[in-house]
Amino acid sequence: DQQVKQNSPSLSVQEGRISILNCDYTNSMFDYFLWYKKYPAEGPTFLISISSIKDKNEDGRFTVFLNKSAKHLSLHIVPSQPGDSAVYFCAASSAYQLIWGAGTKLIIKP
Amino acid sequence: DVKVTQSSRYLVKRTGEKVFLECVQDMDHENMFWYRQDPGLGLRLIYFSYDVKMKEKGDIPEGYSVSREKKERFSLILESASTNQTSMYLCASTLLRSSYNEQFFGPGTRLTVL
Repeated sequence: DQQVKQNSPSLSVQEGRISILNCDYTNSMFDYFLWYKKYPAEGPTFLISISSIKDKNEDGRFTVFLNKSAKHLSLHIVPSQPGDSAVYFCAASSAYQLIWGAGTKLIIKP
Repeated sequence: DVKVTQSSRYLVKRTGEKVFLECVQDMDHENMFWYRQDPGLGLRLIYFSYDVKMKEKGDIPEGYSVSREKKERFSLILESASTNQTSMYLCASTLLRSSYNEQFFGPGTRLTVL
């Protein structure tokens, strides 16, 4: 039973436009949500997080939105750049662990 | 900066061999994790440890064991490697009292079992 779902395996976006990556979850007890970015042959790196008591967190070109009633969060990247091409993982914090989504591969087209 | 290192970036082993994957972190983190990453399946937790000599099974522990004799080191052992264990293996660590459980990852080991 997947508690964190990323339903889009891949997404292609034009350079300079907005990239929107989506994530759904089932457990309303999660207290934090995190986004990680992963390049091939490297470990994931932390990008941005949001507390369950917030609905928005912004860091430069990256903004995460949380809709608790819909159990949905999204990561917005504006503007998208070629270096943003990577796999993005959504994760939910639970006890000592992170519960991971399957990832979305973002491709930024020149 | 937190540094998590893994003993090998690429490894090729034969079916039936015993395989050791080592992970070391330098930030005095209590919690350490082993994941495998396969396309379309995300990160699946194999084992984790929250203290020296302590270990807990994750979602897919079958065919694996772990060892944590020192706080900074967490080893993953494949007792008898099989072709379905061909994967990217990722080690991570985090502070026990981290507010949102941010995990710091090593570079990964790409294991191929022939």
